[in-house]
This record gives sequence, C-alpha cells and structure tokens, in this order.
Amino acid sequence: QSVLTQPPSVSAAPGQKVTISCSGSNSNIGNNYISWYHQLPGTAPKLLIYENNKRPSGIPDRFSGSKSGTSATLGITGLQTGDEADYYCGTWDSSLSAWVFGGGTWLTVL
Amino acid sequence: EVQLVESGGGLVQPGGSLRLSCAASGFTFSNYAMTWVRRAPGKGLEWVSGISGSGRSTYYADSVKGRFTISRDNSKNTLHLQMNSLRAEDTAVYYCAKAWQYSSSWFDYWGQGTLATVSS
Repeated sequence: QSVLTQPPSVSAAPGQKVTISCSGSNSNIGNNYISWYHQLPGTAPKLLIYENNKRPSGIPDRFSGSKSGTSATLGITGLQTGDEADYYCGTWDSSLSAWVFGGGTWLTVL
Repeated sequence: EVQLVESGGGLVQPGGSLRLSCAASGFTFSNYAMTWVRRAPGKGLEWVSGISGSGRSTYYADSVKGRFTISRDNSKNTLHLQMNSLRAEDTAVYYCAKAWQYSSSWFDYWGQGTLATVSS
C-alpha cells in the first residue's frame, strides 16, 4: 500500500488530454514539493515535473503539473502513442524521513 | 553530461549479500545527495535509500532498514549499496539517481539500472 495514491490506469485517444491524480497527506504532499516521473517500457525513469509545476529542459509543454493541498495532478495534452508508460508521483515525507512514490499509473493511448 | 552507471547486480541465494555500485560523472559529486530506487517485477517504483552529499546523513525505507547500507566515496565519485540478508522480495532492478540538491529533493538524473535476483 503506497503512501501516495494514484489510479492504476488511465486511457485516452491520440491527440486528447489526460490527467493523473496523486493524493497524499500533510506530511508529504501538503508540505513538500511534488515531482512526476515516467518510465517507458524497458527504460529508466525520467523526471517530467519538479517543484509541483516546473518542467526540466527538454520536456515539452504538453506536460504540466499542479498541486492543491494534499493532492497533485499531472496533465498531458496532445497525447501520442509514445506517451504510453508508467507515471509516478513522488515527494519527501517529513514524518517518515523518507522519499515516497505513488503506486504508479499506466497510461494507454488508444 | 551527467552519467550514472550501476554495476554489481546478479543472482544470489536468499540470505546472501550483494554490493551495488554507481559510478557518477559530469557533475561535482560531493555537492549532491544521491539515492537508490528499485522496481520489482510487476510492481512500481520503490525508494530504497538516500544519502547526503557529505555522506553524514543516510535514510532508509522500512523494508530494508537494518539489512541495507548506503555509502559513498566522494574521492572516487561512487555510490554504493551493501545489501545483506537478501530476500526473494528484494529481487528488482536497482537504479541510482542524483538528487537535485538535498536528500529531500527530486531526482533529476537516473542510471539505467542493475538487476539483482534473489533465488535459490
């Protein structure tokens, strides 16, 4: 059971928009920055969003992040088949003194 | 260019030990916290352990506390994970990752991973 809760899967058609939610508590999302990662099949995880809503260089603006209270959301617009991957939220948990990830969400672009 | 290259994975029997290493280049290694994250077959990412840039502060997931030890050699730009008393559930691909700055920061660069298999 992950400390951060994500839906196991989401799906949408090419060109459409999808959102992935991440729910936590005051000890993690509520008081720390959230970051998002994706892991394409057979590859290493990659940073998509940091500090709740910032994109590293090279990440297209199709990817966006937001945070409100103890929840966060990743948005992806203009879906492409190459976006099919596992998506994870992550943050520091101040009570656990540990980093925590969500359980992951598999995105299907159909 | 930041590069992280893991090594040391392999097949080990339950109760055995493995020592993973991560060779870092392309940044001032001692200035950044580092971490180990694993992904078991059919499961999601699991944070395992983190260490501050100086090495003075270390952090562990409850699932590995008392069995795994994280360390770093800043003179050799290398991160280690000593894994003892291994269990079948420790079977996973282990990734080292660079923290943006502190141990509580996000992870901006990741290695390609090394597979550790615990099986008799």
